[in-house]
Amino acid sequence: AQSVTQLDSHVSVSEGTPVLLRCNYSSSYSPSLFWYVQHPNKGLQLLLKYTSAATLVKGINGFEAEFKKSETSFHLTKPSAHMSDAAEYFCVVSDRGRNAGNMLTFGGGTRLMVKP
Amino acid sequence: EAGVTQFPSHSVIEKGQTVTLRCDPISGHDNLYWYRRVMGKEIKFLLHFVKESKQDESGMPNNRFLAERTGGTYSTLKVQPAELEDSGVYFCASSSGPGTEAFFGQGTRLTVV
Repeated sequence: AQSVTQLDSHVSVSEGTPVLLRCNYSSSYSPSLFWYVQHPNKGLQLLLKYTSAATLVKGINGFEAEFKKSETSFHLTKPSAHMSDAAEYFCVVSDRGRNAGNMLTFGGGTRLMVKP
Repeated sequence: EAGVTQFPSHSVIEKGQTVTLRCDPISGHDNLYWYRRVMGKEIKFLLHFVKESKQDESGMPNNRFLAERTGGTYSTLKVQPAELEDSGVYFCASSSGPGTEAFFGQGTRLTVV
C-alpha cells in the first residue's frame, strides 16, 4: 500500500523568498515520486520526478526536491518565489512493484500563495 | 501536438440524471487513466485502460460508473444515475507506457444538484 501526506494545505510566502512544500510518503516497494502543479483552469503539469537515480531532483521553473529515504520525505523547494508560482501543488507516489507506474496516489494538495 | 482533452469542462445535472464525460488522450498513448477529486478530498484513482482493455478498475466507486474505451482511442465515463456525492472534478491522463510521465487533461467539473 502507498500513501502520501502533504503537511500543509496552504502556504503563503512573499515574492522573492524561499518556498518549502512538505511531503511525506509511505510505500511497500521502491517508489517513484512526483510533484505536479495545477494553475487555475489548467490541467495538472509535471514539475519533477524521482525514479531511483540522483536523490536531488531538479524540475522546471527552478523547483527541486530531495528524496530522503530515512525520513520518507520528498519536500519541494525553490530559492525565490515568483508571483506566477501561485498554484496548487500535489505530491504523488507510484509504487514500482507489480503495478509499476500505473496507479498514482496523490497527496491532499498544498495551495501556494505568493504575496507581492 | 495536442495534449489530453476533456469534454465538457463543466457539467451541472440534477440528481438521477445521466452524464457522460469524454477524454481524448494524446495520440499513440496506450495507457489512459481516470481520476476524481471530490470536494475537500484527495485526487483518487478510478481506473486504468491499456488500449481498449481495463487493466485496473479497483478505484471505481460503484456500479453507477461505467467507463469504456472503444477502439483504444478516446474514453468515456458515464455516471447513471448521478448522485449528489458524485460532484467533483474528473481528471483524465494518458501515458505511453508504465512508469512514463502521465499527461493530464484540464478536468471536467461535475456538479450534481
